Amino acid sequence: GEDVEQSLFLSVREGDSSVINCTYTDSSSTYLYWYKQEPGAGLQLLTYIFSNMDMKQDQRLTVLLNKKDKHLSLRIADTQTGDSAIYFCAERTGTASKLTFGTGTRLQVTL
Amino acid sequence: GAGVSQSPSNKVTEKGKDVELRCDPISGHTALYWYRQSLGQGLEFLIYFQGNSAPDKSGLPSDRFSAERTGGSVSTLTIQRTQQEDSAVYLCASSPRLAGDDTQYFGPGTRLTVL
Repeated sequence: GEDVEQSLFLSVREGDSSVINCTYTDSSSTYLYWYKQEPGAGLQLLTYIFSNMDMKQDQRLTVLLNKKDKHLSLRIADTQTGDSAIYFCAERTGTASKLTFGTGTRLQVTL
Repeated sequence: GAGVSQSPSNKVTEKGKDVELRCDPISGHTALYWYRQSLGQGLEFLIYFQGNSAPDKSGLPSDRFSAERTGGSVSTLTIQRTQQEDSAVYLCASSPRLAGDDTQYFGPGTRLTVL
């Protein structure tokens, strides 16, 4: 079955790195995504990784995928106050069309 | 180019009334999705349209919910006889569904409050 889990809250100091973790259960996941949601706004796609990749880097963002453990992480380098938001991981499996989202991790960046 | 747009941005209605929510996908995107975001349930898939194929309605929570997509573009989500538990943010997404790009791009959502 499909189940995606995330920790609910993370607090980091400005300038530090943030690491947001996600675990999923469906081994047939093809794409895994990270979305950002700011207060009162929709979902903004940050990055995605194909299941045959281990790592993807995009400017301050690094995605790591451990397919054996079904673990996905998003690292934000040099975290800024503008990074404060809720971060959702999501999986897309096989020919299924829908995304299954995690519960979301609220990132709080302190000065 | 323009992103996914949704209207209205906010809707307050009374229990028992019907509501219609609209989604304008990104031009040229063949796939359209509706999701619901609520406090108790997180983000849930509702329905999916792809081209002229029959929609995947597997996520609709009850027969009070229906959706249509006219001309392969604009979609309307209708909730009949609204209940308080229908209060949520309804998000629409579209995707080009091309080889190599299956990404879903989300609209800002419609916040529905049922009194």
